[in-house]
Parts: sequence; structure tokens; C-alpha cells
Amino acid sequence: LAKTTQPISMDSYEGQEVNITCSHNNIATNDYITWYQQFPSQGPRFIIQGYKTKVTNEVASLFIPADRKSSTLSLPRVSLSDTAVYYCLVGVYSGAGSYQLTFGKGTKLSVIP
Amino acid sequence: IAGITQAPTSQILAAGRRMTLRCTQDMRHNAMYWYRQDLGLGLRLIHYSNTAGTTGKGEVPDGYSVSRANTDDFPLTLASAVPSQTSVYFCASSAAGGFNEQFFGPGTRLTVL
Repeated sequence: LAKTTQPISMDSYEGQEVNITCSHNNIATNDYITWYQQFPSQGPRFIIQGYKTKVTNEVASLFIPADRKSSTLSLPRVSLSDTAVYYCLVGVYSGAGSYQLTFGKGTKLSVIP
Repeated sequence: IAGITQAPTSQILAAGRRMTLRCTQDMRHNAMYWYRQDLGLGLRLIHYSNTAGTTGKGEVPDGYSVSRANTDDFPLTLASAVPSQTSVYFCASSAAGGFNEQFFGPGTRLTVL
């Protein structure tokens, strides 16, 4: 299984940029890195996915260094509604078209007014 | 469009009883997944199915079984429930296996006494 490490929690004031890093030092060359957001009493929902360098969409950016041993989710100008738990998801190809997907333990982001 | 539905929403179960958690999706997705979520442990993959008629084991498969008779349904069965299976269970689906975006259901909160 791929091993992941994320900070347990982070606090941020409204309007600030938040960066959450996930360490995953044994993912394979062809594996993608995906981030999910989860609000209380709901299932996780997809935020962003990347393979290398930088990916940006309407809600976040994902930075992946050349060695791919970590990835950083960047949330620009957070608001109170961004208070949630953020998970990184990595996988290891296990052959025959199968992947062993591993979620990180999650980072609880609290946005303060 | 419902997306993914799970039933029941919550259940209290006596140890030793058999229980089937239901999951149905209407997106015609090929891949489906079952996760359990426990405080401090994040989401852990129990079983998955890349296409109807096939299933695979995830990180924590012991004590659980699944079947995938058709595209839409992916039930999870606890043959003889134990207290350590007390958890929140999420079903998810994606267009294909691997690293495709996963869509999650609302979850089932199961308590085994």
C-alpha cells in the first residue's frame, strides 16, 4: 500500500491562502494524486487531480514537485465555507488493471472569521 | 438524477447478526467501491469492483463480502457483525477504475453492539 502523511489540522483566517501538503514517498511513476473535500455528515467530493508540476481549476491548485514524493493543495482566499476535512488519495498499480487506492488520514481545516 | 444512494442511513445491530448495506448508482459507472471511515483513520478501502461481475479486495476486506451482479448495485455484506465493524460506511463509484474521479454516497452509520 502507498503510505501517506498529512497534518491532522490547520487553522486559517478568512481571505488567506492555505496550503496543505501530503507526503507519499512510495507512489509509482504513473500514479495520479487526487484531493477530496469532506463536510460533516457528507461523503467526500473531488477537488483536483494531478500527475506532475501544477494543475489549477476554479477552486484550487495542486503542486507536485519533480520527485513526486509529496503534493500540496493550495486553496486561494479561503472563506468560512471551506472549513472541512481534506484528503489526499494516492494509489499503487497492483497489476491486471487493478490499483490499491489509499486515502490519507485527512487534514481538518478550520477557517476563522 | 440521484447519483449514489445508500441504505439504510443508519443501523444499530447486535453482534453476530448478518447485515447487508445497499448501494445503487444511476450514472452507469463501471467501477464501484466500499470504504469505512473511522475517527483518526480516515477512509479505508474495503472492496472494489472495476466492472460488473468482478470484485477485488481493498485494504481492510476481512469480515466483509461484496457482489456485483449488475452495473448499478454493489451491496456490502457483514456475515456476522462484530463491534469493531462499528463505523460509517461510504459507497462510491467512478466511470472507470484507477484514478478516475469518485462520486460518494451519503454514507451509512452502523453501530454493532
